[in-house]
Amino acid sequence: DADVTQTPRNRITKTGKRIMLECSQTKGHDRMYWYRQDPGLGLRLIYYSFDVKDINKGEISDGYSVSRQAQAKFSLSLESAIPNQTALYFCATSDPGQGGLRETQYFGPGTRLLVL
Amino acid sequence: GEDVEQSLFLSVREGDSSVINCTYTDSSSTYLYWYKQEPGAGLQLLTYIFSNMDMKQDQRLTVLLNKKDKHLSLRIADTQTGDSAIYFCAEAESGNTPLVFGKGTRLSVIA
Repeated sequence: DADVTQTPRNRITKTGKRIMLECSQTKGHDRMYWYRQDPGLGLRLIYYSFDVKDINKGEISDGYSVSRQAQAKFSLSLESAIPNQTALYFCATSDPGQGGLRETQYFGPGTRLLVL
Repeated sequence: GEDVEQSLFLSVREGDSSVINCTYTDSSSTYLYWYKQEPGAGLQLLTYIFSNMDMKQDQRLTVLLNKKDKHLSLRIADTQTGDSAIYFCAEAESGNTPLVFGKGTRLSVIA
């Protein structure tokens, strides 16, 4: 069974629609992250959360919001989707209890989003 | 802010060695990572090196770190078609900040 799961795996939506991408983990990690991947731009951090009560903006948070419902769940919302939000979205986790390796991240399989 | 640079593409013949290079700007980096992304999949941790090490070897993989020049490399010996993927370099500071990723190097292995 996958430790980090993302739903849906693929999504097509229209401009202006609100959508939510969900991430769940069974690794027991406190830290969770949302990234988007675009060709030639690598991974860009959208939001991250170090625990249930902690939410931080990343490099490209505009147009996105997140919710950390529980230690195991971290959702990403696009309030009003636009075509340039078409991308591959990844959720990741890390474990602060790993000492110096606390930033080692474990990734979900990704959600491919197309905004028409 | 911190920056991690990689070349975007590398093409090698099957059986040859591949060397993927990375430079970073943050001198306080403690751990440096290599992640592999196969087509249609998420990133998987491939290997890492602690900043007080010069080299780490793991089967066909060799990681070299030149801390003075802030240069990291990943050498894959006897490259196979299954090694075709995107390889990301990432660095972690000593504080509570997320990893900083490079843009990824797409390795193509020609049979």
